[in-house]
Amino acid sequence: GAGVSQSPSNKVTEKGKDVELRCDPISGHTALYWYRQSLGQGLEFLIYFQGNSAPDKSGLPSDRFSAERTGGSVSTLTIQRTQQEDSAVYLCASSTLAGRYEQYFGPGTRLTVT
Amino acid sequence: GEDVEQSLFLSVREGDSSVINCTYTDSSSTYLYWYKQEPGAGLQLLTYIFSNMDMKQDQRLTVLLNKKDKHLSLRIADTQTGDSAIYFCAESDTGRRALTFGSGTRLQVQP
Repeated sequence: GAGVSQSPSNKVTEKGKDVELRCDPISGHTALYWYRQSLGQGLEFLIYFQGNSAPDKSGLPSDRFSAERTGGSVSTLTIQRTQQEDSAVYLCASSTLAGRYEQYFGPGTRLTVT
Repeated sequence: GEDVEQSLFLSVREGDSSVINCTYTDSSSTYLYWYKQEPGAGLQLLTYIFSNMDMKQDQRLTVLLNKKDKHLSLRIADTQTGDSAIYFCAESDTGRRALTFGSGTRLQVQP
């Protein structure tokens, strides 16, 4: 079946602008995660959604970052007033709640802030 | 907090075995994973091991877990040039579902 999809695949934006990144999880996966991968920081957890529970936002680096998940499926990660240090690849993953918590990753969105 | 460490680079010859090592600090780790990332691609889940196991074999892949020493390894038998990639070790626990990743080990396979 279809895997996790993300859009856009690449995004170039000017410093100070807002951006929205989209993630479509695997159908039937109730848990959704956002991570980012950057040269300096490696792979970092950002936020986790599980069903209708309040999201775990403990990894968000600042209040410029927010995410929502509508209808238990698609998620949008929003970065306001982008800074150059936000440049990274933003990865989305999904999993079922039961069992082994295997997370399946999308191809990522490469964000470049100029 | 949790910490996962890996060596940065490993070079092997085609046909040899590769062993990639990982250490972690969180004693409550429940699952440990190996992910593969090829250039320009996303993360591909290779295999995982539950913390009450000490070994798991899946075709050319063997995962060994020493829970006492908090040491995890991934052995790739008969390494091929297509195995060249970055390999990430990751852990999670029942309390915190998010993955904590190591810095990744770049495997270079020489023909």
